[in-house]
Amino acid sequence: DTGVSQDPRHKITKRGQNVTFRCDPISEHNRLYWYRQTLGQGPEFLTYFQNEAQLEKSRLLSDRFSAERPKGSFSTLEIQRTEQGDSAMYLCASSLASLTEAFFGQGTRLTVV
Amino acid sequence: AQKITQTQPGMFVQEKEAVTLDCTYDTSDPSYGLFWYKQPSSGEMIFLIYQGSYDQQNATEGRYSLNFQKARKSANLVISASQLGDSAMYFCAMREEGGSNDYKLSFGAGTTVTVRA
Repeated sequence: DTGVSQDPRHKITKRGQNVTFRCDPISEHNRLYWYRQTLGQGPEFLTYFQNEAQLEKSRLLSDRFSAERPKGSFSTLEIQRTEQGDSAMYLCASSLASLTEAFFGQGTRLTVV
Repeated sequence: AQKITQTQPGMFVQEKEAVTLDCTYDTSDPSYGLFWYKQPSSGEMIFLIYQGSYDQQNATEGRYSLNFQKARKSANLVISASQLGDSAMYFCAMREEGGSNDYKLSFGAGTTVTVRA
């Protein structure tokens, strides 16, 4: 499988716990994106990496959120002290350059109870 | 301001018929790209079709075609010969390509399509 893969697919956590999600982009893609999608809505941009550099963070990304992409390959998104409002689908995407389509993974569905 | 508007929350279509999904957009950037993605219940966003703002012809990909009306800022998706597997959520998205935000997709709220046998 050469697509974008995300792990885990589903995560249920108690409020206040920390969670970490992983994204493995398509191997030759230098750009990686994180989006969040709440029920009944379209995805919203969270953050973007070009190689290992995080070039933008949305205002949606509070201080409890941190993303990394060490060595410009896989990326992790960590949420500390989760809140019920963090419940959403977290989608990762990758692309070769800005003028091509982004390919999405299947997402990680987070439920905070 | 909303950059992408999809006014149809849900649509039903008979198998083998065509369906048109509406999308209007708002941008002052002369260079932009318009995308349609399909999201089945499994959650993955599947790229369907792309239209660049300078493209003279409407984009087509198999059974998908994009009806691009630049003056009206409209980018409707037409799915011909609907199949049961087309039942999914469909999202219109835009990327403004003229400035420093040329990586960010702005999505609409989506349209749910249900294909009836």
